[in-house]
Amino acid sequence: NAGVTQTPKFQVLKTGQSMTLQCAQDMNHEYMSWYRQDPGMGLRLIHYSVGAGITDQGEVPNGYNVSRSTTEDFPLRLLSAAPSQTSVYFCASRTQGLAGRDNEQFFGPGTRLTVL
Amino acid sequence: EDQVTQSPEALRLQEGESSSLNCSYTVSGLRGLFWYRQDPGKGPEFLFTLYSAGEEKEKERLKATLTKKESFLHITAPKPEDSATYLCAVQAPYGGSQGNLIFGKGTKLSVKP
Repeated sequence: NAGVTQTPKFQVLKTGQSMTLQCAQDMNHEYMSWYRQDPGMGLRLIHYSVGAGITDQGEVPNGYNVSRSTTEDFPLRLLSAAPSQTSVYFCASRTQGLAGRDNEQFFGPGTRLTVL
Repeated sequence: EDQVTQSPEALRLQEGESSSLNCSYTVSGLRGLFWYRQDPGKGPEFLFTLYSAGEEKEKERLKATLTKKESFLHITAPKPEDSATYLCAVQAPYGGSQGNLIFGKGTKLSVKP
């Protein structure tokens, strides 16, 4: 299993450009999520999905769109990049069972985005 | 509002000097408390899940404990390779939030030889 994969690893954008951060998992996990990590702020949830066709907003959703057409993929779209979106972005996945006792959340390696 | 606070923000230890990291939380109906390790330039790596007060889990030099209001990550005789940022997260009940994890800001641990 590759686990959670993210592309690209690094990206530089100019203000106003759009782009898509890719995320894929091969563990058949229902739940997938996107976080951003900024110095002194910790991990903050952007969007999440509990299954194909279902998405919802997290703590900091503005300026980002997501879709979930398959179980495996959960891309994050920046509509019009702004310098405030300079950050490290992590995708994560886990099972969404009600039992919850072994629902370890796996993280991808991250995408470091700089917006000039 | 659900919150997670970690202390200290940074901790510098000499090799072999044991210590503890703290994670205090406020959440209605805790489903689970998670500890992660994060190395520079990498994604968080899962360490432990704790579910109920009094529960303890161990892995090598690390031991995590849980009370009704906080969790401790005890590091016994640390080595330089234990240097990393340690993240704590809580999982709220399923429902509107779908059991999303709420993270603290982390404790950056440095262990000097």
